[in-house]
Amino acid sequence: AQSVAQPEDQVNVAEGNPLTVKCTYSVSGNPYLFWYVQYPNRGLQFLLKYITGDNLVKGSYGFEAEFNKSQTSFHLKKPSALVSDSALYFCAVNYGNMLTFGGGTRLMVKP
Amino acid sequence: KAGVTQTPRYLIKTRGQQVTLSCSPISGHRSVSWYQQTPGQGLQFLFEYFSETQRNKGNFPGRFSGRQFSNSRSEMNVSTLELGDSALYLCASSLAGQGHNEQFFGPGTRLTVL
Repeated sequence: AQSVAQPEDQVNVAEGNPLTVKCTYSVSGNPYLFWYVQYPNRGLQFLLKYITGDNLVKGSYGFEAEFNKSQTSFHLKKPSALVSDSALYFCAVNYGNMLTFGGGTRLMVKP
Repeated sequence: KAGVTQTPRYLIKTRGQQVTLSCSPISGHRSVSWYQQTPGQGLQFLFEYFSETQRNKGNFPGRFSGRQFSNSRSEMNVSTLELGDSALYLCASSLAGQGHNEQFFGPGTRLTVL
């Protein structure tokens, strides 16, 4: 069975500083990995995905993620955080077209 | 293209009642999935439909059911509502329903069971 862990419930970062939101996964075979963001009272918005190929994936709003097979990790990163990045972030693995989500990490960017 | 739409956006029901939620996928998308989001359990997969057939089902009781129509629109039904069914129900569509396709989510239907 597949699983996803997001070890941090909340990440605090100052505006302009780099941010990292951590994700580790467990899945049989090659993983399809995704990051989504959720703003209050909204659905989930797709940020980026890893299917195969280059381990560094670039996505929407300046976000990128690094796939590390040996550490089974898929951390979300951004070089310079914005206050508007404050939201709930979910890492997910897709197996058989069923998304299994991590518990979510609340990102707080302070001015 | 219009995004995924869900109706209604908010619902209040009482225990024992049943409810039907509706989802219209992005035009051309043939796969529709449903998820339940609660503070305690997080995001959990309910079921997926592709070309009017249920292809996958999560670990939910039989009170939760769904269907998909020929135009790819989908409905989910919850019968004999329980307090624990209070949640945000999210619908997502994807182009071909393959694992590498990203799923696009609607705004959700917030169900409150009293």
